Amino acid sequence: AQRVTQPEKLLSVFKGAPVELKCNYSYSGSPELFWYVQYSRQRLQLLLRHISRESIKGFTADLNKGETSFHLKKPFAQEEDSAMYYCALPDSNYQLIWGAGTKLIIKP
Amino acid sequence: SAVISQKPSRDICQRGTSLTIQCQVDSQVTMMFWYRQQPGQSLTLIATANQGSEATYESGFVIDKFPISRPNLTFSTLTVSNMSPEDSSIYLCSTRTGFEKLFFGSGTQLSVL
Repeated sequence: AQRVTQPEKLLSVFKGAPVELKCNYSYSGSPELFWYVQYSRQRLQLLLRHISRESIKGFTADLNKGETSFHLKKPFAQEEDSAMYYCALPDSNYQLIWGAGTKLIIKP
Repeated sequence: SAVISQKPSRDICQRGTSLTIQCQVDSQVTMMFWYRQQPGQSLTLIATANQGSEATYESGFVIDKFPISRPNLTFSTLTVSNMSPEDSSIYLCSTRTGFEKLFFGSGTQLSVL
């Protein structure tokens, strides 16, 4: 069954420290993966998708098929990165399967 | 892109009553989706609403409990019927352009007493 796992409900790091938000998936085939972000009092929005291989707000994510992972990384965290982050994967009907989300807190 | 206006943003309701949530999109879209996000949990798709046809419900969700309307290509409503405290959640509408990118409403935080 297709599944997305975000093992950390909460991640707290200091400003300037590296950040890695973990995402593991279960999918038979060649997956597409997304990271969505929800800042405080804002709506959920797309952060990045692996197919475009772009860096948004300093975040990158590499698809590792061997480890079935799509971890989100940023070398130097900023306070404005504090948010809820969701990893997601489309199923065969192109409906997104969502991870449970990770709350990222950047401490000053 | 698509901008979705969702209302109400929050409501506190009594057990046994119903609440209708509205979503207005600033452009015509084929599909609209309704999600539920219970505290500490992931987003769960309730149903997909296409204009001119009945909504398609996911396993565990039924039309009698969550009737959906889709009268045109820019608007949809979700009603949470005969509410109980277990229905307390955030409800989100969304749409997508092309196959990939989802756009979301700002969400409705529902508390049922």
